[in-house]
Amino acid sequence: EVQLVESGGGLVQPGRSLRLSCAASGFTFDDYAMYWVRQAPGKGLEWVSGISWNSTIGYADSVKGRFTISRDNAKNSLYLQMNSLRTEDTALYYCAKGEKWELLSSLDYWGQGTLVTVSS
Amino acid sequence: QSALTQPASVSGSPGQSITISCTGTSSDVGGYNYVSWYQQHPGKAPKLMIYEVSNRPSGVSNRFSGSKSGNTASLTISGLQAEDEADYYCGSYTSSNTRVFGTGTKVTVL
Repeated sequence: EVQLVESGGGLVQPGRSLRLSCAASGFTFDDYAMYWVRQAPGKGLEWVSGISWNSTIGYADSVKGRFTISRDNAKNSLYLQMNSLRTEDTALYYCAKGEKWELLSSLDYWGQGTLVTVSS
Repeated sequence: QSALTQPASVSGSPGQSITISCTGTSSDVGGYNYVSWYQQHPGKAPKLMIYEVSNRPSGVSNRFSGSKSGNTASLTISGLQAEDEADYYCGSYTSSNTRVFGTGTKVTVL
C-alpha cells in the first residue's frame, strides 16, 4: 500500500525558513516523479514543485528562487526547503507521487498534508 | 502559469449526467495529452480520477470519463450519485516543464 506522510509544518514568522519532509513507502521510490502541492485555507489546489526520478526539477513562478525541492532515494524521502516565507505561503502542503517517472505524469497518490502558517 | 479555467459550480439530479470544462492554452491543455482530473471531498486529500485526458486509474468508476478538444478538456460524470458531491480540479502539464491546476468546480447533487 502506497503511503506518503508529510511532516515539518508549523507556525513561522515572515522571512523565516521551514523544511518539509515526506516519507514514502509501498512503492519503488526512485522510479517515480514526486511533487509538492499546496492549498490555502478555503482555496483551490496550487502546484508548487516537482522532481523527476533523475532529479529534473520544476517550480511554480510563485516560489521560484525561494523554495528548493530535493529527494533522497536511499531514504525514500522528499523534501521542500522553504526560505523567505511570506504570509501568502500559508497553506496545507501535500506530498504526491507521480504515476510515472517524468514531470509530465499525473499525481496518483497524495499524503494527508502538513499545515504551514506564516504569521507574525 | 495562470490557473486553468473551470466553472465555479455545476449541479445535477441523481442519475443525470454533468460535464465540467477546463480551459487552458496551447502551452498546457492544448499542447499535451497530459490532462488529469482530481476529486476532493471536504477535509480530504485529492484523488486522481482521470489521467492522460481519458484514462481511469484502477478502482475509479466507469461513470467518470474525460475528453479534450483544442484547449479545453472535459470531465463527464454519468449516473450522478450523492457520493459524487465534491470539488473537482483539472490539471495539466505545461511547456515550462511544470504543472498547473484548474480553479476548481464544486459539484452539487440536488
